[in-house]
Amino acid sequence: DIQMTQSPSSLSASVGDRVTITCRASQSISSYLNWYQQKPGKAPKLLIYAASSLQSGVPSRFSGSGSGTDFTLTISSLQPEDFATYYCQQSYSTITFGQGTRLEIK
Amino acid sequence: QITLKESGPTLVKPTQTLTLTCTFSGFSLSTSGVGVGWIRQPPGKALEWLALIYWDDDKRYSPSLKSRLTITKDTSKNQVVLTMTNMDPVDTATYYCAHPGIAVGRAFDIWGQGTMVTVSS
Repeated sequence: DIQMTQSPSSLSASVGDRVTITCRASQSISSYLNWYQQKPGKAPKLLIYAASSLQSGVPSRFSGSGSGTDFTLTISSLQPEDFATYYCQQSYSTITFGQGTRLEIK
Repeated sequence: QITLKESGPTLVKPTQTLTLTCTFSGFSLSTSGVGVGWIRQPPGKALEWLALIYWDDDKRYSPSLKSRLTITKDTSKNQVVLTMTNMDPVDTATYYCAHPGIAVGRAFDIWGQGTMVTVSS
């Protein structure tokens, strides 16, 4: 299995901050990397697919980059509704998710 | 508009078999390229992919759970069924079904609300 490692596991930030979350694959996955946002008690929501493509309806403050083994999700200016847990997921081979990054209010 | 909804028991006993049904609308599992997946999430833990089934009956399973899982489809009813044998308390989780969107590189673009399953005697 391809292992997906996110860092940090948790992060405290303030409204207006620029935040970056990293996801590293244990082997190359080209651009087969997706990002999801999950709020407590809710199903995950697709934010970014194919490493850098913004899902329809997702605010442009969210962006993704990377290829191969190293990927990032960036939120350019945190809004109150962005405090949630974020997961990366690879679809290059047998699907695996990262362990999640919890984004909390400072 | 695509929607999915999971249904099944909320409580199962250890060693029993769990059967979950995903009922969907807005797409057909007889259309080329279409699939439905299952993902679970234990309380306070990360997401774990379980299985996928495609329009052509191609089935994919998590290697770690493959021996316990079976995924099937009923195209006429717009349903996908997941069975998991020999349930254990560690299988306590919210189980989601989700749609892998062709237009988004088969990322899971639409999710059901999830159904919580507790394994306890």
